[in-house]
Amino acid sequence: GAGVSQSPSNKVTEKGKDVELRCDPISGHTALYWYRQSLGQGLEFLIYFQGNSAPDKSGLPSDRFSAERTGGSVSTLTIQRTQQEDSAVYLCASSPHQGAKIGNTIYFGEGSWLTVV
Amino acid sequence: GENVEQHPSTLSVQEGDSAVIKCTYSDSASNYFPWYKQELGKRPQLIIDIRSNVGEKKDQRIAVTLNKTAKHFSLHITETQPEDSAVYFCAAVGGGGNKLTFGTGTQLKVEL
Repeated sequence: GAGVSQSPSNKVTEKGKDVELRCDPISGHTALYWYRQSLGQGLEFLIYFQGNSAPDKSGLPSDRFSAERTGGSVSTLTIQRTQQEDSAVYLCASSPHQGAKIGNTIYFGEGSWLTVV
Repeated sequence: GENVEQHPSTLSVQEGDSAVIKCTYSDSASNYFPWYKQELGKRPQLIIDIRSNVGEKKDQRIAVTLNKTAKHFSLHITETQPEDSAVYFCAAVGGGGNKLTFGTGTQLKVEL
């Protein structure tokens, strides 16, 4: 596609429910990132995928958060038993081979706005 | 891991004036420093970046400088316009990893 595509764009869920957020990176991009941005705040790193390598999960805030990337393309971020503090914009980004490590540009999607009520 | 600090958190300038945003980083092995602009409700978009082998880079009204010794880098916007109003984020990539660590952002307001 022309850019990083995310769905849903908006999601309202009840506390305790599970949610899945989807990211479709730019075609050919092997590096994929998930970031979280709370209202008026900065961007918090969650997880990074590069090709078939083991993902860097160092940013996941708790074991309620998980992500997978099937076939080296589409990624799904899953939040189990959602809490109100999970309310934020979840931004996906992709980058060409080896991502930012060698100075490749990271392109962001429009984000999925999650509200937990 | 990498730690990026950004100042100021808010900046208000008159149209036509210059704006400067400063960031410091902690990992001396960091080698890539992009700047992103985020308008309200929109995605962050890359506006300029600099690699560690370069001290300065310019693109029209925007410039970035890098001081590796002091571990700081700055964004300079000249002849500011109302459409420059947005939140600006600096970021750094640590030498040992691949993730971007972002600063906390600067809300720039260009007043008429």
